[in-house]
Amino acid sequence: AQRVTQPEKLLSVFKGAPVELKCNYSYSGSPELFWYVQYSRQRLQLLLRHISRESIKGFTADLNKGETSFHLKKPFAQEEDSAMYYCALLPYTGKLIFGQGTTLQVKP
Amino acid sequence: SQTIHQWPATLVQPVGSPLSLECTVEGTSNPNLYWYRQAAGRGLQLLFYSVGIGQISSEVPQNLSASRPQDRQFILSSKKLLLSDSGFYLCAWSVSYGYTFGSGTRLTVV
Repeated sequence: AQRVTQPEKLLSVFKGAPVELKCNYSYSGSPELFWYVQYSRQRLQLLLRHISRESIKGFTADLNKGETSFHLKKPFAQEEDSAMYYCALLPYTGKLIFGQGTTLQVKP
Repeated sequence: SQTIHQWPATLVQPVGSPLSLECTVEGTSNPNLYWYRQAAGRGLQLLFYSVGIGQISSEVPQNLSASRPQDRQFILSSKKLLLSDSGFYLCAWSVSYGYTFGSGTRLTVV
């Protein structure tokens, strides 16, 4: 079955602390994985995709096929990082499958 | 430029009333269109997708229906709302695996 799991509903950290938002997936083929972010009163938008292997706003995510994970990391959290984060899998069907979402709260 | 419009932003409807949520896309032709829903405590679940006018596929059985009367218009409907229809509804389109999302509609059925 194709599935994306984000085990944490809420992650609360202090400004400057490291952040790791967990994402595990279940997919039999080669996955295409994404992180989407929704800031308060804004639209859901693409943060990064594993194919690009890029760092956006200080965030990185590495695909670990052995552990079937695609955790999102940032070494030093900022208050403006507070948002809802969704991990998503794009299977061969072309229809995105989302995880449950994790709310990141960065406290001053 | 490519944009997607979704309205209304919030909606409170009584149980048993009808529903119509509209989504329109600008700046692209023949997009794939999607309706997603996030219910309380759950992830974004795909409800419907459409690859062209009049072509609708339902992903999960439910009290809702979708229609695509024009290439860039996607409508989510219900004849009689249930309490369980409450949630956050997102419209999206994709072309060549790039997804763009609308601003969403928060529906509360009371």
